[in-house]
Amino acid sequence: ETGVTQTPRHLVMGMTNKKSLKCEQHLGHNAMYWYKQSAKKPLELMFVYSLEERVENNSVPSRFSPECPNSSHLFLHLHTLQPEDSALYLCASSQGAGGNYGYTFGSGTRLTVV
Amino acid sequence: AQSVTQLGSHVSVSEGALVLLRCNYSSSVPPYLFWYVQYPNQGLQLLLKYTTGATLVKGINGFEAEFKKSETSFHLTKPSAHMSDAAEYFCAVSEAGTGNQFYFGTGTSLTVIP
Repeated sequence: ETGVTQTPRHLVMGMTNKKSLKCEQHLGHNAMYWYKQSAKKPLELMFVYSLEERVENNSVPSRFSPECPNSSHLFLHLHTLQPEDSALYLCASSQGAGGNYGYTFGSGTRLTVV
Repeated sequence: AQSVTQLGSHVSVSEGALVLLRCNYSSSVPPYLFWYVQYPNQGLQLLLKYTTGATLVKGINGFEAEFKKSETSFHLTKPSAHMSDAAEYFCAVSEAGTGNQFYFGTGTSLTVIP
């Protein structure tokens, strides 16, 4: 148990489907993040929420839509994905948004787009 | 711009041998430096971090790392490898005052040979 819980652990979806990834933390952290982990590539930061406010990341396609209803929950809504979006999606949280705080990661959702 | 380079995408050591995983970074300001470990089908777990103070940092599972400013390095070491150390290791850097942005290396896969 890492303190950050992600569901589902595995997800297979068609390109026309709509699905959502869920992340939950009860560590009292006030910043939450979505990362994409693809084979042989550095982790890619997708979205950041600090005190429930979103930090825009313009490089993420609009088919990925985050939602942070409160400081404990973070969602990633998916629609009309492409096969190249298949990856491990990691959620993380931190005590603050400052760069000296380490992250606590969830176990990830393994997404396969068919 | 910051960057992180991990030399050697795959490292193999014998059980009981020294583990050395290399990390070099580029940063225009004093960095915060981190090592994370990822076991199969899991998220990333913080091993250790350097923010300020003593440059030799001790982490969990017997690992330690030394911040060498002159060499822009933060290599991870462990005196004696254990089979359970087999995993993927990621070096990460953030800069003071930049808030949420972490930069991760591409990772080093550690194999421990019995």
